Amino acid sequence: QQPVQSPQAVILREGEDAVINCSSSKALYSVHWYRQKHGEAPVFLMILLKGGEQMRHEKISASFNEKKQQSSLYLTASQLSYSGTYFCGTGYGGSNYKLTFGKGTLLTVNP
Amino acid sequence: EAGVAQSPRYKIIEKRQSVAFWCNPISGHATLYWYQQILGQGPKLLIQFQNNGVVDDSQLPKDRFSAERLKGVDSTLKIQPAKLEDSAVYLCASGSPSGGRLKVEQFFGPGTRLTVL
Repeated sequence: QQPVQSPQAVILREGEDAVINCSSSKALYSVHWYRQKHGEAPVFLMILLKGGEQMRHEKISASFNEKKQQSSLYLTASQLSYSGTYFCGTGYGGSNYKLTFGKGTLLTVNP
Repeated sequence: EAGVAQSPRYKIIEKRQSVAFWCNPISGHATLYWYQQILGQGPKLLIQFQNNGVVDDSQLPKDRFSAERLKGVDSTLKIQPAKLEDSAVYLCASGSPSGGRLKVEQFFGPGTRLTVL
């Protein structure tokens, strides 16, 4: 059950804000956010758990809405270094730590 | 702390040939994952190991793909024979449940870019 990310792509000017959403049709237990720059490996940003608190990584924060089965990633006062593709990986419980990744959101921050 | 190591970084083969990828996880990480990432897509889990046992291989095309994790450390992923649609980046990741089973941060290696001609 692949999560759906929106938007597919977003272009910002440095200093602007953006929101990336990750939605699931199945009950979520955890959402993991990663950023991947072109030609590089995905880099971990944060994990949100069902019933857990909002998380933060530098000026990036994220929330978990249990009712909507959705997580949102908030990029505040974006920097050039924020450019990349953002993936959410969703966990649905069970005995392992398996994640299902969305197709990604391409974020471009211009000067 | 050394990261996840993978080799080779790039591989070009003809269809129907075989290929193998190697992964050395972060020391002490019990969980190891192999993902396939096709251009423009998110990583797709192929197989997950816990120590040297397979936890999930439901999306591994077992007629052509195989993987093993010897002694619960290094792992190899093999494709035999390769098809054109196997062209992708193969990512290895490792993790350790330091904060509970749902809080496993996955550390990714640089990946192997496979091109099948």
